[in-house]
Amino acid sequence: EAQVTQNPRYLITVTGKKLTVTCSQNMNHEYMSWYRQDPGLGLRQIYYSMNVEVTDKGDVPEGYKVSRKEKRNFPLILESPSPNQTSLYFCASRRTGDKNNEQFFGPGTRLTVL
Amino acid sequence: DQQVKQNSPSLSVQEGRISILNCDYTNSMFDYFLWYKKYPAEGPTFLISISSIKDKNEDGRFTVFLNKSAKHLSLHIVPSQPGDSAVYFCAVDSWGKLQFGAGTQVVVTP
Repeated sequence: EAQVTQNPRYLITVTGKKLTVTCSQNMNHEYMSWYRQDPGLGLRQIYYSMNVEVTDKGDVPEGYKVSRKEKRNFPLILESPSPNQTSLYFCASRRTGDKNNEQFFGPGTRLTVL
Repeated sequence: DQQVKQNSPSLSVQEGRISILNCDYTNSMFDYFLWYKKYPAEGPTFLISISSIKDKNEDGRFTVFLNKSAKHLSLHIVPSQPGDSAVYFCAVDSWGKLQFGAGTQVVVTP
């Protein structure tokens, strides 16, 4: 089944404890992206990657890191999480050249930073 | 700086009638415009999109209209069905960089 998977789905952590949220897609998509969803703000893009070894900042990159060493994986790293990073996170992927520019989203990771 | 705005946080519509969702944007350089639908506890799913060179795109019950001079995007759903009850997000894509509106909660009543 074609899908985007994220792990963990739920995470409660404490301020300053480094964490990684993994994202993997099995559709051989070149493009991958991370978003956070907060009430009243919709989804905001954190980072995106047009292909392996290429990453760019979205609108809210502060406090996050990403890497794209392989096509299928795009982990999101929070080196020193803070309470304002408590949010619902989504990973997405897309085939370059798709006529609809359609992105496929993962099921989300709910992160709470205490 | 919110460059994409959905000014109606909610919309209630009767089953069988038309749902019209609106979205305004500020940057005329966006090249792709999309609508996503989201159910609780799930990731958004793609609904329909339109490129900046077109003014209308249709897919079954869903039609997206783009008015570039007004920087306005709308989604028409006709006829509305109970399964259409969800949050709808408009999004603009500028070469991989995406911005979303805050969303409109649609409730379709029997």
